[in-house]
Amino acid sequence: DIQMTQSPASLSASLEEIVTITCQASQNIGNWLAWYQQKPGKSPQLLIYGTTSLADGVPSRFSGSRSGTQYSLKISRLQVEDIGIYYCQQASSTPWTFGGGTKLELK
Amino acid sequence: EVQLVESGGGLVQPGRSLKLSCVASGFTFNNYWMTWIRQAPGKGLEWVASITNTGGSTYYPDSVKGRFTISRDNAKSTLYLQMNSLRSEDTATYYCTRVKGYIHFDYWGQGVMVTVS
Repeated sequence: DIQMTQSPASLSASLEEIVTITCQASQNIGNWLAWYQQKPGKSPQLLIYGTTSLADGVPSRFSGSRSGTQYSLKISRLQVEDIGIYYCQQASSTPWTFGGGTKLELK
Repeated sequence: EVQLVESGGGLVQPGRSLKLSCVASGFTFNNYWMTWIRQAPGKGLEWVASITNTGGSTYYPDSVKGRFTISRDNAKSTLYLQMNSLRSEDTATYYCTRVKGYIHFDYWGQGVMVTVS
């Protein structure tokens, strides 16, 4: 199975700050990587798919990138509504696996 | 508006069975693969089962293979998850999701809680 290792596990940041979350794949997954946001008490929502493509309605302050087998989610200017848990997910091969999550809080 | 509404959860004893349903609306159901994903209390996300748009093929991780069965009724725009031989580690919120592209999950239901105890 492909392991997805997210870091950090938790993160505290200030409003308007730049935030970066990373996800390391245990093997090559190409661009088959998605990011999800889960707000407290809510279902997860798709943010980014195909490593860099924004899902419908997602603000442009979110962006995704890749360097080898390391993937990054960047929030350019943190807003209050961005607080929650972020998960990466590989779509390269079954079983489709998720990272352990990054809990983003306001400082 | 895309909507996915799950039902059928509850408290069940270990070894027993439970069947979840998910009614879809707002899109052409028979055009999309569908998937169940679960989340144990306070934990991360785990893929549980997927089914092609026609229902002709299904996919499972080893953790549920042979115990869970995903199915669909395209005439009723409804997705199902039959869960047999339930274990305490199956306790989780189960989400019905729509699959987009290859393979990510663009719409999620509100989730339904299953407690095995």
